[in-house]
Amino acid sequence: DIQMTQSPSSLSASVGDRVTITCQASQDMTNYVSWYQQKPGKAPNLLIYDASNLETGVPSRFSGSGSGTDFTFTISSLQPEDIATYYCQQYDNLPPTFGQGTKLEIK
Amino acid sequence: EVQLVESGGGLVQPGRSLRLSCAASGFAFDKYAMHWVRQVPGKGLQWVSSISWNSGSTDYADSVKGRFTISRDNARNSLYLQMNSLRAEDTAFYYCARDQYQLPVYSFDYWGQGSLVTVSS
Repeated sequence: DIQMTQSPSSLSASVGDRVTITCQASQDMTNYVSWYQQKPGKAPNLLIYDASNLETGVPSRFSGSGSGTDFTFTISSLQPEDIATYYCQQYDNLPPTFGQGTKLEIK
Repeated sequence: EVQLVESGGGLVQPGRSLRLSCAASGFAFDKYAMHWVRQVPGKGLQWVSSISWNSGSTDYADSVKGRFTISRDNARNSLYLQMNSLRAEDTAFYYCARDQYQLPVYSFDYWGQGSLVTVSS
């Protein structure tokens, strides 16, 4: 199985800050990486797919990039409603696997 | 509006069975692959099982292979997960999730609200 090592596990930032989360895959991959946002008590919500494609309806402050083993998720200007846990996920190889999550809090 | 509504969760003893259902609406259910993904409360996400649009292909995580069976009824816009020989480690929220395509690509663009399965004596 491909392991997705996500960092940091938690992050505290101020409104307006640029926030970056990384995922490192245990082996070289194509760009089959998604990023999800999960708010407390809710289901995950797809934000980014194929490493850099923004899902329809998702604000443009969210973006993704990367290739090979290193993938990055960025919020360009943190908003209060972005408080959530974020997960990366690879679907390059079966089984699809998720990172352990990054809990984002407002400073 | 795409909606996925799970049902059938609850408390069950180890070794017993449970069947989850997912009612889909707001989209052409028979044109998408579907999945079950689970999450231990307060923990991370684990893909469980997938089924193609026409039930032609199914797949399972190793941890549930031989115990769980995924199925769908396109006439009823419904997805199912039959869970047998349940173990304590199967305790989790189970989410029904839609794939982006007809054949599983394993990127999930819509999720249900989840159904909690608790396996305990």
